[in-house]
Amino acid sequence: DSGVTQTPKHLITATGQRVTLRCSPRSGDLSVYWYQQSLDQGLQFLIQYYNGEERAKGNILERFSAQQFPDLHSELNLSSLELGDSALYFCASSVGLGTTKEKETQYFGPGTRLLVL
Amino acid sequence: DAKTTQPTSMDCAEGRAANLPCNHSTISGNEYVYWYRQIHSQGPQYIIHGLKNNETNEMASLIITEDRKSSTLILPHATLRDTAVYYCIVRVRYALNFGKGTSLLVTP
Repeated sequence: DSGVTQTPKHLITATGQRVTLRCSPRSGDLSVYWYQQSLDQGLQFLIQYYNGEERAKGNILERFSAQQFPDLHSELNLSSLELGDSALYFCASSVGLGTTKEKETQYFGPGTRLLVL
Repeated sequence: DAKTTQPTSMDCAEGRAANLPCNHSTISGNEYVYWYRQIHSQGPQYIIHGLKNNETNEMASLIITEDRKSSTLILPHATLRDTAVYYCIVRVRYALNFGKGTSLLVTP
């Protein structure tokens, strides 16, 4: 158990809909990262938040957005869903910013499996 | 970005050491080598990381060559539960850049 929790575990929805995925980081961790894992793309970094502020963006679509709240939990919002958005969505957390000059280990949650029909 | 090259798949007999190689010839001086594994569709699990010295923890050992162009993850006594995809990652700032990894099959 990494200490990172994600809800829900599974989500089934229809095209065009909007969903919200939730992540609670490990106690004491200020950074939250979101990753997407689809069959054809592998694990891809989406976005990072540090202490409530967006710090880095990866291959995140404009239809997707995220935020980190004062209690440090994070939500990933996916809108206008398409079939291709079906994937596993993982959240990870780390203590700090995760720059190359620091030893920053990311710990991953169990993921949310999203199926868009 | 420093890229890594890993074999697509490897087999290992249960109880034997599993040695997983990784090539990262373009690594920069301040970039760490991280190893994660993913069992089936579970969340990636952190194993170990290092900069230039060899590292050991309760899960594995990491051997980094002196020129830092390659490394080897060693699982000293592989068990069936070690069957997973193993990712060697050179840390690029904030994100972990997962490649395709090595699919390790531990057989009885």
